Amino acid sequence: DAKTTQPPSMDCAEGRAANLPCNHSTISGNEYVYWYRQIHSQGPQYIIHGLKNNETNEMASLIITEDRKSSTLILSHATLRDTAVYYCIVRPRSGNTPLVFGKGTRLSVIA
Amino acid sequence: EAQVTQNPRYLITVTGKKLTVTCSQNMNHEYMSWYRQDPGLGLRQIYYSMNVEVTDKGDVPEGYKVSRKEKRNFPLILESPSPNQTSLYFCASSLRKAGTITDTQYFGPGTRLTVL
Repeated sequence: DAKTTQPPSMDCAEGRAANLPCNHSTISGNEYVYWYRQIHSQGPQYIIHGLKNNETNEMASLIITEDRKSSTLILSHATLRDTAVYYCIVRPRSGNTPLVFGKGTRLSVIA
Repeated sequence: EAQVTQNPRYLITVTGKKLTVTCSQNMNHEYMSWYRQDPGLGLRQIYYSMNVEVTDKGDVPEGYKVSRKEKRNFPLILESPSPNQTSLYFCASSLRKAGTITDTQYFGPGTRLTVL
């Protein structure tokens, strides 16, 4: 069963911010939100994760709503190399639950 | 450089001819995993291993075997490949601490397998 819902595709102009939404309305208290991306047929790449606070690293920012039912991944200045499929994944931190990848959002950054 | 390597990167074979795809990581990770990726189906986990000599089935284990005799290696074995195993395969590894899988999984570059 899909735990997350993402739009199948989005476009973004180069240099602009890309905001990728994810719905996870059934998320439970011990579950984290992870984001990975996959650039054309390469291995997926970890981007960021969070529980309830907003997070930022060198790759992106993650904004999680107060009720934790949705989140947004923000690429502040998208480049052509950010064109990829972005996966939002919900997983508990504890235990041995593996990552479950859905279909993700195909982001196309346009010059 | 910390990495996960897979070999071969591309393989074309025929039905029934046993093959092995190797996976090796140099990060001393306990957890390793195999995924397959097919158009429209996303990534699906085949097998995973929590540590040496410990393996378990993922979502789509039929037709595959794995072994974990050493920490760094996790080969995927297809004893009798069939055309429906034509796919893109990824190996991944992750550090495991205190009974949990940590946040970051590192993925290999992928192996594109075609079974005729």
